[in-house]
Amino acid sequence: DTEVTQTPKHLVMGMTNKKSLKCEQHMGHRAMYWYKQKAKKPPELMFVYSYEKLSINESVPSRFSPECPNSSLLNLHLHALQPEDSALYLCASSQVSQGRWTDTQYFGPGTRLTVL
Amino acid sequence: AQSVTQLDSHVSVSEGTPVLLRCNYSSSYSPSLFWYVQHPNKGLQLLLKYTSAATLVKGINGFEAEFKKSETSFHLTKPSAHMSDAAEYFCVARSSNTGKLIFGQGTTLQVKP
Repeated sequence: DTEVTQTPKHLVMGMTNKKSLKCEQHMGHRAMYWYKQKAKKPPELMFVYSYEKLSINESVPSRFSPECPNSSLLNLHLHALQPEDSALYLCASSQVSQGRWTDTQYFGPGTRLTVL
Repeated sequence: AQSVTQLDSHVSVSEGTPVLLRCNYSSSYSPSLFWYVQHPNKGLQLLLKYTSAATLVKGINGFEAEFKKSETSFHLTKPSAHMSDAAEYFCVARSSNTGKLIFGQGTTLQVKP
């Protein structure tokens, strides 16, 4: 089973709202990722968690706040977003090999976010 | 710096004809390479991966890719296109320094009946 699930599928929010995206995997992967994908573009890495600790933050604005409460769950908390943050948000997970989160990544279906 | 170049932004084929999606990479040594497919409004699905075990890699749904070090290429092929193959295809390398994925810009495959 190589399934990564994401909820919700679609989300519409105002610029003053607070919302959260959720990602879950039960493959025993210890690395999890958030990507942002704009239309007709490849995904862009936002955050990497390895063993539930934040390993990489690609200079993402603080209005995006990731959280990894356990090895199966990854959340992305959203607050005071801008219209340009509208995009497809993808979660991925992978094994950690020899202490490095460099194994094959498996992606979820994404959450389509629209900020009004 | 490592980079991935997909040589065609758009490829159109007729159903039942062969598919060729071209990808070149730049690296000083053999990288880990992947092809992912993304259907409209969906996530990325792994088609196949190269990790130096064999130069010809077979993937899902009849796709395969050949790693050619001398040409720094990793082209994706399929003998006979199906309508369900219409999607966006990404050639991806894994950075040997950082472990991050380096994406090509994507190729849109159109399959005509």
